[in-house]
Amino acid sequence: QKEVEQDPGPLSVPEGAIVSLNCTYSNSAFQYFMWYRQYSRKGPELLMYTYSSGNKEDGRFTAQVDKSSKYISLFIRDSQPSDSATYLCAMSAGYQKVTFGTGTKLQVIP
Amino acid sequence: GAVVSQHPSWVICKSGTSVKIECRSLDFQATTMFWYRQFPKQSLMLMATSNEGSKATYEQGVEKDKFLINHASLTLSTLTVTSAHPEDSSFYICSAWPGGPPEAFFGQGTRLTVV
Repeated sequence: QKEVEQDPGPLSVPEGAIVSLNCTYSNSAFQYFMWYRQYSRKGPELLMYTYSSGNKEDGRFTAQVDKSSKYISLFIRDSQPSDSATYLCAMSAGYQKVTFGTGTKLQVIP
Repeated sequence: GAVVSQHPSWVICKSGTSVKIECRSLDFQATTMFWYRQFPKQSLMLMATSNEGSKATYEQGVEKDKFLINHASLTLSTLTVTSAHPEDSSFYICSAWPGGPPEAFFGQGTRLTVV
């Protein structure tokens, strides 16, 4: 079993839809949870960072962490074509080593 | 956010030659940098942890003699792929931490093609 599981998609949604991206994990030592956005042939860009359980909101993006279920989510409201990218969840136990999910490819259709 | 610059963004080399990739933290000092490899439609796989002034720590299965890492200063780490082969063709990405919470910032990545 992989430490981090993420549905690779692809996920296609119409413009303006609410997008839900999810990851599950098995390592209970993970305390830091991140979401990255990666455009084709580019390095990942940090979107959201959350420590422990709870919600965090930044503009159209909301990150949720449920440590009891070992489940994290990223919600994108009012999705735009420019949001089309691969979204990677990432987790760390706090020792700088980060474990990534495989990424979910999102396409927002105008 | 913090800026990490990686160079070159793409390189084509002949089989048997060596290629050097640079990773620089532009607006902060990084005692630790990380090197990842990413195959198409796959996740980032950590190859090694680069430590300023000391030897790099390699992940299991990564050949240290093939992927030479040098972290000579607090703002520069280099990855040299020695005696490259076509199977080394991949997307290589570095990351660095500005300190504080573990928010990794990534370079732009280097697309290596070995022919």
